[in-house]
Amino acid sequence: GENVEQHPSTLSVQEGDSAVIKCTYSDSASNYFPWYKQELGKRPQLIIDIRSNVGEKKDQRIAVTLNKTAKHFSLHITETQPEDSAVYFCAASMVDSSYKLIFGSGTRLLVRP
Amino acid sequence: DTGVSQDPRHKITKRGQNVTFRCDPISEHNRLYWYRQTLGQGPEFLTYFQNEAQLEKSRLLSDRFSAERPKGSFSTLEIQRTEQGDSAMYLCASSLTGQETQYFGPGTRLLVL
Repeated sequence: GENVEQHPSTLSVQEGDSAVIKCTYSDSASNYFPWYKQELGKRPQLIIDIRSNVGEKKDQRIAVTLNKTAKHFSLHITETQPEDSAVYFCAASMVDSSYKLIFGSGTRLLVRP
Repeated sequence: DTGVSQDPRHKITKRGQNVTFRCDPISEHNRLYWYRQTLGQGPEFLTYFQNEAQLEKSRLLSDRFSAERPKGSFSTLEIQRTEQGDSAMYLCASSLTGQETQYFGPGTRLLVL
């Protein structure tokens, strides 16, 4: 079955710097890749997603890139702010199937003021 | 409609007791998912419903676990003869057929003593 690996497990950056989180997946049939942000004690919330027919997607300070050949995708956050501090999860899914999400193990991002 | 809701938010039980959790999805969302999240890990898929039909179950879902969605609206997840290893956050998510985005509830945190 699908396996998603996520790195790094923790990331500390200075406010205003960029943060990059990387994920790799194993099943080439996966074609949908969302990123969720989870603050302490709260529900995971979708921040951005990408489908396999595009290589990059941006939404203000957040961007995601996808390399289907290498089977990896990355989250880029620019001009980080303290409120970006949270745990970020990548996931992979096959939209022709149950759409179940296979998650990475998470990255704890700390943005230092 | 303020999103996916789950009840209770917290549950403490003794080993060997049965527990039941409820999930109310976003109105008109016909797909409903259950995930389990342990500390420091990403959510793991447990089971999936489309309307009232349970279409997929993870191997993680032992015979002590049962899920239902009798009328295709709310769902329940029951754990019989709880074990300490069942301690986790149980998350519910819902989505609409044809749309990949899953919206998560706040979760039920279970502690088995």
